Amino acid sequence: QITLKESGPTLVKPTQTLTLTCTFSGFSLDTNGVGVVWIRQPPGEALEWLALIYWDDDQRYTPSLKNRLTIAKDTSKNQVVLTMTNVDPVDTGTYYCARSWFGVPNAFDIWGQGTVVTVSS
Amino acid sequence: ETVLTQSPATLSLSPGERATLSCRASQTVFTFLAWYQQKPGQAPRLLIYDASTRATGIPARFSGSGSGTDFSLTISSLEPDDFAVYYCQQRSEWPMFTFGQGTKVEMK
Repeated sequence: QITLKESGPTLVKPTQTLTLTCTFSGFSLDTNGVGVVWIRQPPGEALEWLALIYWDDDQRYTPSLKNRLTIAKDTSKNQVVLTMTNVDPVDTGTYYCARSWFGVPNAFDIWGQGTVVTVSS
Repeated sequence: ETVLTQSPATLSLSPGERATLSCRASQTVFTFLAWYQQKPGQAPRLLIYDASTRATGIPARFSGSGSGTDFSLTISSLEPDDFAVYYCQQRSEWPMFTFGQGTKVEMK
């Protein structure tokens, strides 16, 4: 069974750095063609893709947030970490991680339950 | 950046009716188009990828079609569990992904 679960702080102050962890099981980020993505959703709004990391450590970011995001993987722990610097109240929302793999190209087939983050002083 | 425009914003239908949702891309995405269903308080669920391939476990009443810039998701006969928000998502300018603004299918 494939699962992903997000974890991190529920409340962050403006200008601080947000660190979120995606812990997954049932697949390996050592496998050719496998990746993990982060996607967020402000309250009542649409989904926004943030970042993607592949088995070969290739990292990609949405252009509008590229300067604030870092994605990294720890294969031994089956974890992917997303760091967002200088957060603002507009960064409030639910953050999801999901799997990307060659068997389901160009889409995200398994999602975590999401973690809610509020940015407020 | 490729923009996806979904229409209508809201679709009011009754169980048993046919639902047709539209997703239009600002430039060609070939068939790199997926559809997701999201219910309140839940993560999105993948329904369709590569424009017309049903994901594992998705009922046959869900079908996707289109290529280039115009795509549609059809639910042949709505069941009570299908009332939700639906998002389309594209991959272009590798690797760049964007989502549409969503279509809410509500019970009439």
